[in-house]
Amino acid sequence: EPEVTQTPSHQVTQMGQEVILRCVPISNHLYFYWYRQILGQKVEFLVSFYNNEISEKSEIFDDQFSVERPDGSNFTLKIRSTKLEDSAMYFCASSAFGLSAGELFFGEGSRLTVL
Amino acid sequence: QKEVEQDPGPLSVPEGAIVSLNCTYSNSAFQYFMWYRQYSRKGPELLMYTYSSGNKEDGRFTAQVDKSSKYISLFIRDSQPSDSATYLCAMSSHTGANSKLTFGKGITLSVRP
Repeated sequence: EPEVTQTPSHQVTQMGQEVILRCVPISNHLYFYWYRQILGQKVEFLVSFYNNEISEKSEIFDDQFSVERPDGSNFTLKIRSTKLEDSAMYFCASSAFGLSAGELFFGEGSRLTVL
Repeated sequence: QKEVEQDPGPLSVPEGAIVSLNCTYSNSAFQYFMWYRQYSRKGPELLMYTYSSGNKEDGRFTAQVDKSSKYISLFIRDSQPSDSATYLCAMSSHTGANSKLTFGKGITLSVRP
């Protein structure tokens, strides 16, 4: 069964360092998303990406965040200068038809710990 | 008022019980309603998807949406230990490229053998 894969599964970094989280969406999907979940809190939307550009972003997704689809298969989330409050589980998701068919396929997540 | 509120947990039931999970919401623009299941150390997976008000049944699972009350429910019949997971409600106001899901906090269900 096709799946969304994410790497790394866990990353520990020092405050102020740059982090890149990588995702390989399902191959025929066109819509890509990043969500995050701070421990004990809700899953929160960060950004959606379609047709090689950001289509929506939340207020969390400030200038420290960026996304890229560099080679047609990977979808990356970069945090330029990490803060303690960026510690969370980051989920990549992809969809063939956006939410019209309802299903977003989520990866298993990348846990980011900022020290 | 928070946009989406979900009954706090955790919830523990014996095998075979009927489970009722609920969410309320404040944004009347929400039209698309979903229930996701999340096992430990995994990403959410879609269980049920409903548009607007009404019921939808899939095997042991039934989703109900009451837009007039801004209330959604997930019923699990004949619950099994394998149903033990965290259940998240999620909703959206539209489905375009710029759509996004707003999640509830999730409730952890444990089904005792």
